[in-house]
Amino acid sequence: KQEVTQIPAALSVPEGENLVLNCSFTDSAIYNLQWFRQDPGKGLTSLLLIQSSQREQTSGRLNASLDKSSGRSTLYIAASQPGDSATYLCAVNQGGKLIFGQGTELSVKP
Amino acid sequence: GAVVSQHPSWVICKSGTSVKIECRSLDFQATTMFWYRQFPKQSLMLMATSNEGSKATYEQGVEKDKFLINHASLTLSTLTVTSAHPEDSSFYICSARQGADGEQFFGPGTRLTVL
Repeated sequence: KQEVTQIPAALSVPEGENLVLNCSFTDSAIYNLQWFRQDPGKGLTSLLLIQSSQREQTSGRLNASLDKSSGRSTLYIAASQPGDSATYLCAVNQGGKLIFGQGTELSVKP
Repeated sequence: GAVVSQHPSWVICKSGTSVKIECRSLDFQATTMFWYRQFPKQSLMLMATSNEGSKATYEQGVEKDKFLINHASLTLSTLTVTSAHPEDSSFYICSARQGADGEQFFGPGTRLTVL
């Protein structure tokens, strides 16, 4: 059974810092991996989607990497801003279903 | 990008009543829609997968008679929580996918509170 784990569960950083969020999964037979952002009480906003054949994807200050063989993905946020404060979720697509990690709650202090 | 809406955004009901939540894909046809629930400080758990015109497939542990799912058209799926109880209070989120391999697009969620 696929299990997705995110570390750390919570992270607090001062504004301007670069940071890395980690996601690991137990079964490497995935179709793709996706990173989402969720603000309190809101739905999900898709940030980056990495296909299983890809190694990384970039969008603005965000860079996501995927090492399928080791079951790991990282989300790198450059020059963090208070507006980046949210919960970040990773999800692996296996058989058309998304399996989510528990999320990392990020707080960026001004 | 693709837009998915949910209605209502929040609902409060008395124990024992039934509540219907709608999920619509606004600018694309969704052959498959998914329903998730999320408890506070927890991740999303898939409840069921629905394909247009066929019965929904429920995940293990989800009561199909309690959570009725209808996917009558390519743009609309509904989730009905029957005889709701306080333990059904949760955040319900739907997603929609176009085609077998397409990306899932998520709705804004519905907060259900059962008194």
